[in-house]
Amino acid sequence: DIQMTQSPPFLSASVGDRVTISCRASQSIGNYVNWYQHKPGKVPDLLIYAASSSRTGVPSRFAGSGSGTDFTLTINSLQPEDFATYYCQQSYKAPYTLGQGTWLEVK
Amino acid sequence: EVQLVQSGAEVREPGESLKISCKVSGYDFTKNWIGWVRQRPGKGLEWMGIIFPGDSDTRYSPSFEGQVSISVDKSISTVYLQWNSLKASDTALYYCARQGITIFGLINQHYYYYMDVWGKGTTVTVSS
Repeated sequence: DIQMTQSPPFLSASVGDRVTISCRASQSIGNYVNWYQHKPGKVPDLLIYAASSSRTGVPSRFAGSGSGTDFTLTINSLQPEDFATYYCQQSYKAPYTLGQGTWLEVK
Repeated sequence: EVQLVQSGAEVREPGESLKISCKVSGYDFTKNWIGWVRQRPGKGLEWMGIIFPGDSDTRYSPSFEGQVSISVDKSISTVYLQWNSLKASDTALYYCARQGITIFGLINQHYYYYMDVWGKGTTVTVSS
């Protein structure tokens, strides 16, 4: 199975900062990566699919990039509502494994 | 509007069986995979498995294969997650989610799957 290793597990940042979350696949997976945002008490929300395609309605400050084994989610100019846990997921081959998550907290 | 409505919270004792449900509406139920995701208390999301309602094709994560069973009743557009013998470690919030699809390319088509619509989750508590 394909493993997805996310880093860092915790990230502390301030409103207005630019943050980067990384995800590494255990084998080459093309651009078959999704990114989700999950806030406490809420349902997870799809942000990015196919590594860099934004879901309709997702703010432009969220950007995904990468291919092969290394992928990145960048959030430009953090807003208060962006503090959440973020997960990557590979959709190259089932089981469609998720990363361990990155908890983004307010500094 | 696409909706996934999950059954209510459950409390069971270890060793008991349980079946929770996810009722789907708002689109052709047979055309998209439906998956289950677990979140244990204080932990991250874990992908459990998916089922294609059109033909009941099912794929499991190795971590969950043999531990749970995913099934479907097409007549009522409902997907199920079932345990035969619960453990305390099954205590968690369980989400169902539709696997959306985007196809890129005309000749060489690439299918991109993602979880685009989620149920609100079913809390399962296993305790003696």
